[in-house]
Amino acid sequence: GIQVEQSPPDLILQEGANSTLRCNFSDSVNNLQWFHQNPWGQLINLFYIPSGTKQNGRLSATTVATERYSLLYISSSQTTDSGVYFCAVEGTGANNLFFGTGTRLTVIP
Amino acid sequence: KAGVTQTPRYLIKTRGQQVTLSCSPISGHRSVSWYQQTPGQGLQFLFEYFSETQRNKGNFPGRFSGRQFSNSRSEMNVSTLELGDSALYLCASSLGAVMNTEAFFGQGTRLTVV
Repeated sequence: GIQVEQSPPDLILQEGANSTLRCNFSDSVNNLQWFHQNPWGQLINLFYIPSGTKQNGRLSATTVATERYSLLYISSSQTTDSGVYFCAVEGTGANNLFFGTGTRLTVIP
Repeated sequence: KAGVTQTPRYLIKTRGQQVTLSCSPISGHRSVSWYQQTPGQGLQFLFEYFSETQRNKGNFPGRFSGRQFSNSRSEMNVSTLELGDSALYLCASSLGAVMNTEAFFGQGTRLTVV
């Protein structure tokens, strides 16, 4: 299957700071999604972004499919942004997502 | 509209028992996928169903099985439970008729095997 690497594995920020999370993948993909896992375990959809750039409030994401990476930007971070962020990709001909190991973000007040 | 619903939310079972988990997808979604999340292995794909047919299966032993009903609801079953089956089991639904459709996850079922 496709290998998905996320960096950094852990990130600690002061409230108000900006951050960039990176996702590298090993093969061509049809689908790329970013999720935030809440404390109860549910994966919350942030972006469906197989290519291009999207923005949603303080969050934005960019995927450069030809170079096999995606970036998630969080601006003016808040304590509620804390949690684990996952990148997941779907390969060509597949019907399932391959997940990275996540970035654990801690925002301190 | 209602999201993906998984039941039960929590389960405690004894080694050797079997368990059935349920997932109701978003209305209109025909694809249901199952994933296992453990601290050691992360999120791993179990299987995917579309219109009652298993289209894809991950690398799990035969003790893990699933099915999908005509209303798109899905169940997964784990027989002869082992301690290592303790995990968060997540279900995802998507339109699924073509590739490249966004997946939405339920809240998960947390299974503890003692």
